[in-house]
Amino acid sequence: DVVMAQSPLSLPVTLGQPASISCNSSQSLVHSDGNTYLNWFQQRPGQSPRRLIYKVSNRDSGVPDRFSGSGSGTDFTLRISRVEAEDVGVYYCMQGTHWPLTFGGGTKVEFK
Amino acid sequence: QVQFVQSGAEVKKPGASVKVSCKASGYTFTSYGIHWVRQAPGQSLEWMGWINAGNGNTKYSQKFQGRVSITRDTSASTAYMELSSLRSEDTAVYYCGRSASLDYWGQGTQVTVSS
Repeated sequence: DVVMAQSPLSLPVTLGQPASISCNSSQSLVHSDGNTYLNWFQQRPGQSPRRLIYKVSNRDSGVPDRFSGSGSGTDFTLRISRVEAEDVGVYYCMQGTHWPLTFGGGTKVEFK
Repeated sequence: QVQFVQSGAEVKKPGASVKVSCKASGYTFTSYGIHWVRQAPGQSLEWMGWINAGNGNTKYSQKFQGRVSITRDTSASTAYMELSSLRSEDTAVYYCGRSASLDYWGQGTQVTVSS
């Protein structure tokens, strides 16, 4: 199975400041169809996960443009340009290129 | 709008089975696969299996092979996940989600396994 390694485990942030989460996969996530199926999810306390980014860098409808995704191959990053209060929660990367689907361990974003 | 409504919380004894439902609305049910993902307390997300809602084909995580069964009822736009031989480690919130991209999720179903 593809191992998804996220860092950091915990990310203390300051309102209005940028934040960044890293995700590394044990194998390339480039599919034979040319796409890279790497998604990012946000899970607020007590809620279901919500997809933010799909195929590395595509923002879902309704997701603020302060969220952006980048990367290629095995190295990926989720960035928040200016953290807002509603961004508190746990963020997960997930790969859908190889079966089975696998998730990162999560990064908890909380205020300092 | 796309929506998934899952069945309510369950409490089961070790060795029992549980069946969780996931009712879809807002799109053509047979056009997308349904995935099941679980989350143990304080843990990350774990993929369990998938069903092609159109033809009923399934694929399961090796970890749950032999214990999990995913089915669907197209007339009711509902998918089901049944997990058998429950043990305490199966205590978790179980989610359904649409497609391998998991663009929409259900609200989750708490399953507690306790003697």
